[in-house]
Amino acid sequence: AQSVTQLGSHVSVSEGALVLLRCNYSSSVPPYLFWYVQYPNQGLQLLLKYTTGATLVKGINGFEAEFKKSETSFHLTKPSAHMSDAAEYFCAVAEEGFKTIFGAGTRLFVKA
Amino acid sequence: DGGITQSPKYLFRKEGQNVTLSCEQNLNHDAMYWYRQDPGQGLRLIYYSQIVNDFQKGDIAEGYSVSREKKESFPLTVTSAQKNPTAFYLCASSIEVVTDSPLHFGNGTRLTVT
Repeated sequence: AQSVTQLGSHVSVSEGALVLLRCNYSSSVPPYLFWYVQYPNQGLQLLLKYTTGATLVKGINGFEAEFKKSETSFHLTKPSAHMSDAAEYFCAVAEEGFKTIFGAGTRLFVKA
Repeated sequence: DGGITQSPKYLFRKEGQNVTLSCEQNLNHDAMYWYRQDPGQGLRLIYYSQIVNDFQKGDIAEGYSVSREKKESFPLTVTSAQKNPTAFYLCASSIEVVTDSPLHFGNGTRLTVT
């Protein structure tokens, strides 16, 4: 059965600092992996997705994530945080057969 | 612009009343979903529909019902049997039921039952 673990329910960084949000998954088959972002009182928006091919995936707003099969990880990074990046971020995994499983989310705080 | 419209944004109901949340999409997507979001728990799947007139239970379907009479519409009814209905409800759609198809979300309905 597939599952997703996001390490850290809250992460705080200073503006301009590196953003690193951690995601580990379990899957019995090669997974499809996603990162979504949610701003307060809104729905989720797709940041990026990994299906097959290149393991480093670039997304919107300067975010990227690297698929590491050996570590079953799909961590999200951004070199320099901006105040507008403050939001909640969700990692998700899907397998063939349709169902998408979401992690519990990580709330990112950006300090001026 | 295409998208998913959820209404109303905020909904207040008394305990024991059924309430229906609206979800409409103009993306021409085949698949539609309802998720429930509670703080610290991520998103949990309530129901999903792959095509018109067909829908399947998700992980937490008890106390909820849905219909899919039109491709564009997937309303969710929260019944009085749902023991803890206060939550943020998100409707989503995807192009088709293939696993690498990302989900497109509405802006949610926050339901408060007192």
